[in-house]
Amino acid sequence: QSALTQPASVSGSPGQSITISCTGTSSDVGRYNYVSWYQQHPGKAPKLMIYVVSNRPSGVSDRFSGSKFGNTASLTISGLQTEDEADYYCSSYTTSSTVVFGGGTKLTVL
Amino acid sequence: EVQLVESGGGSVQPGGSLRLSCTTSGFPFSSYWMHWVRQVPGKGLVWVSRLNRDGSRTYYADFVKGRFTISRDNTENTLYLQMDSLRAEDTALYYCARDPGAEVGYNDAFDMWGQGTMVTVSS
Repeated sequence: QSALTQPASVSGSPGQSITISCTGTSSDVGRYNYVSWYQQHPGKAPKLMIYVVSNRPSGVSDRFSGSKFGNTASLTISGLQTEDEADYYCSSYTTSSTVVFGGGTKLTVL
Repeated sequence: EVQLVESGGGSVQPGGSLRLSCTTSGFPFSSYWMHWVRQVPGKGLVWVSRLNRDGSRTYYADFVKGRFTISRDNTENTLYLQMDSLRAEDTALYYCARDPGAEVGYNDAFDMWGQGTMVTVSS
């Protein structure tokens, strides 16, 4: 199972919006709405930001939103804040009953 | 307070074994699916294994199948990962993660993570 494809890096200024893409195949992202997004700050454990494509866990800011079209899922962060600077990972359930992560995207808030 | 605390990591030679533990508290452990995820420092997350609530169904990534065994003790609120025939490429930080499950709308979404335990396989 190959990793989902994410851009290595994205950047934005405070207050702006950015979108991180996550491209899979018809065996994972395209087949199921079981896409999650995680935020990871350096030296910390990942934190769940989005589950089942577009749902936010309690306590996650509504500046974070998720969507999916075909084999590509997306995470949008609006009103960028300096504390949003982190690595972001997508994941998906697969037809092999496994989970596959994306390679990760480093978000820099300029 | 919900806590997941991994232990059991360390240094081992290729071909050796380790048993990781994930001790949990603050939530009904037996109500959650549990997973192991690993991360080479500076690299991305990689899913390793999944176990259902009563421990009867196990799932593994192809690269650990036949070498790693996931299990749980719901009386001790603890998750395990028995790692045999270890290889250099198994060197990573191993996280345990909690999954509420599809019945409550989470499908392989990990809502709580431990801080990880480091495994180093080297001669």
